[in-house]
Amino acid sequence: AQSVTQPDIHITVSEGASLELRCNYSYGATPYLFWYVQSPGQGLQLLLKYFSGDTLVQGIKGFEAEFKRSQSSFNLRKPSVHWSDAAEYFCAVSPYNNNDMRFGAGTRLTVKP
Amino acid sequence: GAVVSQHPSWVICKSGTSVKIECRSLDFQATTMFWYRQFPKQSLMLMATSNEGSKATYEQGVEKDKFLINHASLTLSTLTVTSAHPEDSSFYICSASPGQNFNQPQHFGDGTRLSIL
Repeated sequence: AQSVTQPDIHITVSEGASLELRCNYSYGATPYLFWYVQSPGQGLQLLLKYFSGDTLVQGIKGFEAEFKRSQSSFNLRKPSVHWSDAAEYFCAVSPYNNNDMRFGAGTRLTVKP
Repeated sequence: GAVVSQHPSWVICKSGTSVKIECRSLDFQATTMFWYRQFPKQSLMLMATSNEGSKATYEQGVEKDKFLINHASLTLSTLTVTSAHPEDSSFYICSASPGQNFNQPQHFGDGTRLSIL
């Protein structure tokens, strides 16, 4: 069965600093990969997704993620973090042949002034 | 973009009552909708997959008689928590995917915070 690991439970970065959130997955084939962001008390907003093709995908709000098959990773990055980026970030995987999506445990991002 | 509306956003009720949560896809037809439960500071746990016109598929450990799911149309799925108890208090989130293609990402509602007194 597929699984998703987000090794970092909580990350704190200074505003303006770069950010990388880690995500590793376990699946027999290359799944579809997603990053979602959740603000407190809210639902999830899709930041970006990877299905195939270019392994570097661009998303909303200045985020990007790179799929590395050899490392089974799909890390999320942003060159310069803004205070409004403070939220919970979830990596998710879904098999290519159904909608059975599984989420990582999430990484909480705190942004210092 | 695709919008999923979830109602109510917050509900408080007494132990023993039943609570219905609605999930609507506003600008697309959703053959499949999903119901998740999220405990504080934890990830989303899939409860069930709701298929229009057929019975829902429940994840292992989820009581189907406790969490009744109805997907009567391509734009509406409901989750009814029957005879709710304090341990059912949680954040419930629905999602939906447009059409049948599996490469469509899920779009999420804003969630329902359920508090059982």
